[in-house]
Amino acid sequence: DAGITQSPRYKITETGRQVTLMCHQTWSHSYMFWYRQDLGHGLRLIYYSAAADITDKGEVPDGYVVSRSKTENFPLTLESATRSQTSVYFCASTDRDTQYFGPGTRLTVL
Amino acid sequence: QKEVEQNSGPLSVPEGAIASLNCTYSDRGSQSFFWYRQYSGKSPELIMFIYSNGDKEDGRFTAQLNKASQYVSLLIRDSQPSDSATYLCAVIPPDDYKLSFGAGTTVTVRA
Repeated sequence: DAGITQSPRYKITETGRQVTLMCHQTWSHSYMFWYRQDLGHGLRLIYYSAAADITDKGEVPDGYVVSRSKTENFPLTLESATRSQTSVYFCASTDRDTQYFGPGTRLTVL
Repeated sequence: QKEVEQNSGPLSVPEGAIASLNCTYSDRGSQSFFWYRQYSGKSPELIMFIYSNGDKEDGRFTAQLNKASQYVSLLIRDSQPSDSATYLCAVIPPDDYKLSFGAGTTVTVRA
């Protein structure tokens, strides 16, 4: 399917566990982003990438790691999950201006 | 000062009325402006973008941009219950490609 997909859509994990959220886009967009969305905070940028092998920190990067070995994939890893990382995570991509969002992953850390 | 500010909601309008959403931004050199709609439990969906001063119309939606006042708005004419959602204003600052988002305004259209 064309577009941007995320997996899993829902995830429950425990504190201290490593979790990887996947993001895949079929447009060959250069730029990709990870956001988290929490009540009272809106969308906050975690990490972004301008191209394969180029990543940079956003507003709230602590506790997260990203990689981008291929243009179409941009996984986000929580190295040791904490309760404060319970959130909805959105991946997005853009060619230059218009960002398109994936369906989101709802993550609960117990 | 936050980069992008939206009028606080929630905004409740009767069906058929005009919903007016406002957004101001701090970086005068910003060139690209977007309105996203987000239904509860869903991802943001782009509904309008505007780059030039003035009005841009798309169906029942009109985006208005005034760069001198650093102000962008969204009008929803003939509001429908299906327009009930949170509307996010987003701006690309100069020399950047990352979006800065406002906190969003929740609109409820009363049948």
